[in-house]
Amino acid sequence: DAKTTQPNSMESNEEEPVHLPCNHSTISGTDYIHWYRQLPSQGPEYVIHGLTSNVNNRMASLAIAEDRKSSTLILHRATLRDAAVYYCILRDTDNDMRFGAGTRLTVKP
Amino acid sequence: DTGVSQDPRHKITKRGQNVTFRCDPISEHNRLYWYRQTLGQGPEFLTYFQNEAQLEKSRLLSDRFSAERPKGSFSTLEIQRTEQGDSAMYLCASSLGGTVYYEQYFGPGTRLTVT
Repeated sequence: DAKTTQPNSMESNEEEPVHLPCNHSTISGTDYIHWYRQLPSQGPEYVIHGLTSNVNNRMASLAIAEDRKSSTLILHRATLRDAAVYYCILRDTDNDMRFGAGTRLTVKP
Repeated sequence: DTGVSQDPRHKITKRGQNVTFRCDPISEHNRLYWYRQTLGQGPEFLTYFQNEAQLEKSRLLSDRFSAERPKGSFSTLEIQRTEQGDSAMYLCASSLGGTVYYEQYFGPGTRLTVT
């Protein structure tokens, strides 16, 4: 399975944008890039996914490098409720997902 | 729809006892997944079902673990002869199957503590 590399932790100030990086240098052409987040004491929740083009939804934006070896999840205005562990996952099937340790985001008021 | 539910939310058991967890997926979802998560780590895949068929099992799923989804709706995960190393959060997720686009919806998890 192609692996992802994320920083262990990041900090942000409330109401400022946050850019969460993910490196996936061994990504294959059929791998989709998915992001999930896990709030404290909850199961993970879907955030966004993409293949080649940048994607936007109500929660976040996903910027994918042209060579697809890295991507960035963008939270446009961080709130205290965005404090969570964010996971970047590569999927080429609809079977299981392989989570890494993710990035723990701390949002300071 | 109330989402994915899991029962119980917490379970404390003594080493050597058997435990069973239940997961109720979102009703129209035909895929159901089990994961295990230990402190500070991301969830680890255990097994998944397409309707009632168990299609894949991780090497993490030892012989003491068994999962069922008898009618393609709810699922149970049983751990026999529990060990302290089984202490973890057990997460269930469901999704529509058939494409990599479909997101997985996770339940709140069952936290198991083996004493």
